[in-house]
Amino acid sequence: EAGVTQFPSHSVIEKGQTVTLRCDPISGHDNLYWYRRVMGKEIKFLLHFVKESKQDESGMPNNRFLAERTGGTYSTLKVQPAELEDSGVYFCASSPGVRQETQYFGPGTRLLVL
Amino acid sequence: AQSVTQLGSHVSVSEGALVLLRCNYSSSVPPYLFWYVQYPNQGLQLLLKYTTGATLVKGINGFEAEFKKSETSFHLTKPSAHMSDAAEYFCALIAGTGRRALTFGSGTRLQVQP
Repeated sequence: EAGVTQFPSHSVIEKGQTVTLRCDPISGHDNLYWYRRVMGKEIKFLLHFVKESKQDESGMPNNRFLAERTGGTYSTLKVQPAELEDSGVYFCASSPGVRQETQYFGPGTRLLVL
Repeated sequence: AQSVTQLGSHVSVSEGALVLLRCNYSSSVPPYLFWYVQYPNQGLQLLLKYTTGATLVKGINGFEAEFKKSETSFHLTKPSAHMSDAAEYFCALIAGTGRRALTFGSGTRLQVQP
């Protein structure tokens, strides 16, 4: 069974540009999560999809971040325009459907905004 | 609001020595507790989790953790460290009605000396 995949693995952009991160969850997983780790800080929750619906987006930092989940399958996280403080590692995770269950994480996308 | 505190951002042990990584939590409701590990250039992998029931939880690779409600702790231990245990370890919790977002500690990087 394929794990959670993320693309790209690394991205270097300039301040003001747009970047789109993609996450493909494990097949059949209704729940998809985005997290971010800014350098030197803890991993922080961004948002949670159940199928194509946003269940919890309380962690989204501001309106420069837009997340979508097309047809309840893959998800994209767009940052527009990117700022220096957006640099970090963006993780995606997925899980089947029970609250206390394991979330399976992807390898992350390392974003550097110059 | 809930929180997770990991004591020691870096821990160094000798190969064969006991591994003890400390985690304390704060939560107004009974939490679900997790330990994840991240090896270099990989995603987070679940080591073990506590949901309900037995407070001593055994995980993969010889790790275990004990949930102590009176001490609000969930420390991770392994009797004998192996070189392959060198990685970053994250304690996390899920708490609160309906929420599924993981709240992470800041991580502990484990170094194993030969």
